[in-house]
Amino acid sequence: DVKVTQSSRYLVKRTGEKVFLECVQDMDHENMFWYRQDPGLGLRLIYFSYDVKMKEKGDIPEGYSVSREKKERFSLILESASTNQTSMYLCASRVAGRETQYFGPGTRLLVL
Amino acid sequence: AQTVTQSQPEMSVQEAETVTLSCTYDTSESDYYLFWYKQPPSRQMILVIRQEAYKQQNATENRFSVNFQKAAKSFSLKISDSQLGDAAMYFCAYYGGATNKLIFGTGTLLAVQP
Repeated sequence: DVKVTQSSRYLVKRTGEKVFLECVQDMDHENMFWYRQDPGLGLRLIYFSYDVKMKEKGDIPEGYSVSREKKERFSLILESASTNQTSMYLCASRVAGRETQYFGPGTRLLVL
Repeated sequence: AQTVTQSQPEMSVQEAETVTLSCTYDTSESDYYLFWYKQPPSRQMILVIRQEAYKQQNATENRFSVNFQKAAKSFSLKISDSQLGDAAMYFCAYYGGATNKLIFGTGTLLAVQP
């Protein structure tokens, strides 16, 4: 079974803090994704990575950056957290060229 | 641009009954995939069922089946013999080669009444 894990289920941070969300997958998937989930908006793609050290902006990259130094790990970084970044963050991975993505459990982030 | 629309924010079904969740999409591509994902409360999102657009036969996974109408761009999910464990948020999603990414609908929250 594919396993995608995220470092925290719940996180509370203060405005202006630098926040790191970590995602690890154990199936040697080339592609990894970060989504944001908000009520009434579904899932929106923040960033994705085709392979190590490769990244591309998704639909809502403003205020976020990512890092992929190792194939199994994809980090989402909020350089200076703001209250409008309070949300559920989901990580996903897939085999390159395949259409099915596998999701992590999500991190619910609250920025005060 | 491709879009996915789920017009039912919330649905409710009695245990053991059948419910249908609606999804429509818009695309100019001829080859694509459609998915239904399930997200139980505080639990991981999992794939329920997928449909390849070039296949006319509707996909089925146990109690879950789809009604794929390619010309109408409709992709509904039917859950038969609903169980309490089916209560979840259900997302319809589209994948096409042009964008190479999943496009999600806004979700339908399904409640199952005992």
